[in-house]
Formats: sequence, C-alpha cells, structure tokens
Amino acid sequence: DAGVTQSPTHLIKTRGQHVTLRCSPISGHKSVSWYQQVLGQGPQFIFQYYEKEERGRGNFPDRFSARQFPNYSSELNVNALLLGDSALYLCASSLARDRGSNEKLFFGSGTQLSVL
Amino acid sequence: QKEVEQDPGPLSVPEGAIVSLNCTYSNSAFQYFMWYRQYSRKGPELLMYTYSSGNKEDGRFTAQVDKSSKYISLFIRDSQPSDSATYLCAMTSFARDTGRRALTFGSGTRLQVQP
Repeated sequence: DAGVTQSPTHLIKTRGQHVTLRCSPISGHKSVSWYQQVLGQGPQFIFQYYEKEERGRGNFPDRFSARQFPNYSSELNVNALLLGDSALYLCASSLARDRGSNEKLFFGSGTQLSVL
Repeated sequence: QKEVEQDPGPLSVPEGAIVSLNCTYSNSAFQYFMWYRQYSRKGPELLMYTYSSGNKEDGRFTAQVDKSSKYISLFIRDSQPSDSATYLCAMTSFARDTGRRALTFGSGTRLQVQP
C-alpha cells in the first residue's frame, strides 16, 4: 500500500507569492495533519483535519490555511510568503476512527519550500 | 523554555555500540510518547510508541518513559551504520473532547554510526 504522498517535492517561490501544497493520506486514514519543519528543528504543528473539519490549529498566522476534501486528501495554502516560511512541510495521516482514540501518525516525505 | 528539550548532538559512535538518546519535557499533561527516525530529506518514520511509564522493546530498540521525572529515552543495541539519522522524540496530550491530536517534537539528535 502507498504511504502518505505529498506534492510537489520541491518548490521555489518569491516573497509575497502564494503557494498550495497537496497531500494524499494512507488509504483508509481519515485524519490529516500538517507540520512545518525548519532546518535543524523538530516539526511544528500547523493544522489537523478530520472528516473535512478542523480539529486543531497551531500557533501560525492567518496566512496559513488548509482544507480537507471528501476523499480525505488535503491542501495547505500559504499567502504572502515570507523568507521565514522556507521549510520542509510535512503531512501526516492517521485512522482516527473516533474522537476517543489516539492513534499513530504516519508522515509523508514532505514538500521542501524555498522562499527567495 | 521549550516544552520538550533534546540534545541536538551530533552523536558519533562505533558500529555495535549501545546508543542512548534522551528527552526531557515540562508539560505534565503529555500522555503518549513517540520516537521517530528521520533520514536526510525524508519525512519522520515512527519507531516506537508508548503510553505508560516503563520500558517497551522492539527488536534492537527499547523505549523508556519515566513520567515522574518527565524523562524519556530510546536505546539502540548493536548500532549499525544504517541507523545513522536524526532521532526525534515526540509527545502529545490527546484531547478526547475535540479529537485534537497535535504532536510536540524535540529538536532532534543527529546520530552517526561509524563502520
């Protein structure tokens, strides 16, 4: 079975531009989360979605937004890009069978975003 | 002060050595503890997942959790050059009412196993 897939793998943008990153979860997984990993640091939580609803949001500005589609795939959008947005953006999926279960997160290989 | 502290290394050991990786945390609400391995330019790969205090073993890997001291460890026995990677500890306080599941990561320890 395919793991979490993300596209594109690499992206170069200039300051002020907008970017859309895409993620397809593992088949059968209903929850998708997004993380930002700056070089030399651990990933930081941005968003979590389950059944198209936002379940959680990290400490990121409103320039960051996301959505989840009926097929459970997801998009992360970042507006008005800043140099500091340069990072590896990771998508993770989990089964999330119900609200009462805590399950393991499985990560994709990420999208490397460079803002010039 | 960060919620999760992890020594960045790098840590260099000879092949066959026992490796000890550690994290400390300050948030007593954390209930679930994980170790991820991340190779260069790849996403994190889940190695170990624990809930309770104590030890959990899986092959050459042993995860240890001490909630009273807010301290977790990962031990790697008979280390191999293929174990060379960055090791990230992660933890979460799963919110049952909202279903929110946000991991808080350490900054990662870079491990180099010399052949």
